[in-house]
Amino acid sequence: SQQGEEDPQALSIQEGENATMNCSYKTSINNLQWYRQNSGRGLVHLILIRSNEREKHSGRLRVTLDTSKKSSSLLITASRAADTASYFCAPNRDDKIIFGKGTRLHILP
Amino acid sequence: DSGVTQTPKHLITATGQRVTLRCSPRSGDLSVYWYQQSLDQGLQFLIQYYNGEERAKGNILERFSAQQFPDLHSELNLSSLELGDSALYFCASSAHRGFNYGYTFGSGTRLTVV
Repeated sequence: SQQGEEDPQALSIQEGENATMNCSYKTSINNLQWYRQNSGRGLVHLILIRSNEREKHSGRLRVTLDTSKKSSSLLITASRAADTASYFCAPNRDDKIIFGKGTRLHILP
Repeated sequence: DSGVTQTPKHLITATGQRVTLRCSPRSGDLSVYWYQQSLDQGLQFLIQYYNGEERAKGNILERFSAQQFPDLHSELNLSSLELGDSALYFCASSAHRGFNYGYTFGSGTRLTVV
């Protein structure tokens, strides 16, 4: 098992701007996932990138993975108020995801 | 609706009591995961089941136990409750053993111990 570490811990940006969150991890992985959690709600799976992939897109989301640096980034383009949430990366090696503390993203009107 | 059903949504109980939280996974998912989320500890992995068998244990206290039944629903039993057990308890499910599949989370059970 392993835990991802998200950076920054908190991020505030203006609506319409792009938001970038980073994730680092320590061991080899099968895939890396990103999740979103709105306050008090369950986590929502956003995107999964496999260890042999370098970049993946889903709507306004772009995820990159650099296995040599053991890092990933999540880019949210053209941010909206509804993107305000906590975002967690989840390096997955043995099907036991240990979540980190996440990045709290706040979109300012 | 994520397809993962957790009941009850809210639970208030006294210290020393025992409660059971229930989770019905998304249709077709064989793996169930339990997580505890509190303000000071963050999201903690408790335990994982796959097709009725325990697969992995995390930071689960001895006072807590879980099982997955033949119909794949799962129950998390919390006993001798303490104030510090107050938290959101999430269940998640995934297809097969979760490799290269995302987890689908339920909306959680909010447990308050008074």
